[in-house]
Amino acid sequence: EAQVTQNPRYLITVTGKKLTVTCSQNMNHEYMSWYRQDPGLGLRQIYYSMNVEVTDKGDVPEGYKVSRKEKRNFPLILESPSPNQTSLYFCASSPGTGGYTDTQYFGPGTRLTVL
Amino acid sequence: AQKITQTQPGMFVQEKEAVTLDCTYDTSDQSYGLFWYKQPSSGEMIFLIYQGSYDEQNATEGRYSLNFQKARKSANLVISASQLGDSAMYFCALSYGNNRLAFGKGNQVVVIP
Repeated sequence: EAQVTQNPRYLITVTGKKLTVTCSQNMNHEYMSWYRQDPGLGLRQIYYSMNVEVTDKGDVPEGYKVSRKEKRNFPLILESPSPNQTSLYFCASSPGTGGYTDTQYFGPGTRLTVL
Repeated sequence: AQKITQTQPGMFVQEKEAVTLDCTYDTSDQSYGLFWYKQPSSGEMIFLIYQGSYDEQNATEGRYSLNFQKARKSANLVISASQLGDSAMYFCALSYGNNRLAFGKGNQVVVIP
């Protein structure tokens, strides 16, 4: 089944404790992206990647890191999480060949709470 | 900068009736796409429908249609014959440049039996 997977689905952590949320897709997509969703704000893009070893900042990159060493994986790293990073996080992927016409397919989401 | 506006408050719709969700956008790009996604209470984001800026006909996908008025920068979603399973949050999104997406804040829809 074609899908985007994220792990963990739920995470409660404490301020300052480094964490990684993994994202993997099995559709051979070039493009991958991370979003955060906060009540009343919709989804906002954190980072995106057009291809292996190519990453760019989105609209809210502060406090996050990403890497794209393999085509299928795009982990999100919070080196020193803070309570304002409590949010619902989505990973998404798309073929990356059609530019603005490509449909992005989303993972199931990771609900992160930072105490 | 890209901006998507969804301003309707939560909507209640009777089962089997149609509902229209408003979306207006602002962009200086000539080439862009408009997407609608559904987010049920379980949380996942489900792609519904796409309209390209150069598409002359309104997009349709089953019970979903997109009323695209380019001059007014409007891309309203119409759901026909509402079902209980349509109760969800609906997001309008603008795709621009290298597949970047800008989302609106969403419309909550509750379908009443």
